[in-house]
Amino acid sequence: EAQVTQNPRYLITVTGKKLTVTCSQNMNHEYMSWYRQDPGLGLRQIYYSMNVEVTDKGDVPEGYKVSRKEKRNFPLILESPSPNQTSLYFCASSLDSDEETQYFGPGTRLLVL
Amino acid sequence: AQKVTQAQTEISVVEKEDVTLDCVYETRDTTYYLFWYKQPPSGELVFLIRRNSFDEQNEISGRYSWNFQKSTSSFNFTITASQVVDSAVYFCALSEPFNTDKLIFGTGTRLQVFP
Repeated sequence: EAQVTQNPRYLITVTGKKLTVTCSQNMNHEYMSWYRQDPGLGLRQIYYSMNVEVTDKGDVPEGYKVSRKEKRNFPLILESPSPNQTSLYFCASSLDSDEETQYFGPGTRLLVL
Repeated sequence: AQKVTQAQTEISVVEKEDVTLDCVYETRDTTYYLFWYKQPPSGELVFLIRRNSFDEQNEISGRYSWNFQKSTSSFNFTITASQVVDSAVYFCALSEPFNTDKLIFGTGTRLQVFP
């Protein structure tokens, strides 16, 4: 089944404790992206990747890191989480960066205390 | 600047009513894509439709229909004979394929369909 998976789905952590949210897709998609969803703000792009070893900042990259060492994986790293990073996070992928539709993972709900 | 506005924060209807969700967008580009996604209470984002800027034909898919009007920069979504299972948050989004392909989302419209 073609899908985007994220782990964990739910996470509670404390300020400053490094964490990684994994994202994996099995569709051989080149383009991957991370968004965060906050009430009243919709979804905003954090980082994106056009292909392996090619990443760039989205609209709200502060406090986040990403890597793209393999085509299928695009982990989101919070080196020192803060409470303002409490949010719902979505990973998305598409075949390429042109007209293809982006398909989303199930979301990761993060609470930073 | 690119922007998507969904002015309706929340809509409540009774089953079998028709309902239209509004979406107005701003973009400088002549080539762009418009999307609608559904987010049911379970939280995932479900792709509903993609429309490119050169195709202004309206689209119908079962009880769903979309009206794209470039003259008013709108891409409205109508659900005919709504059902309780249509209850969700609906997001309209804009993509500019030659500008990172970032999806620019509206703030969403929460639709509640009561039995």
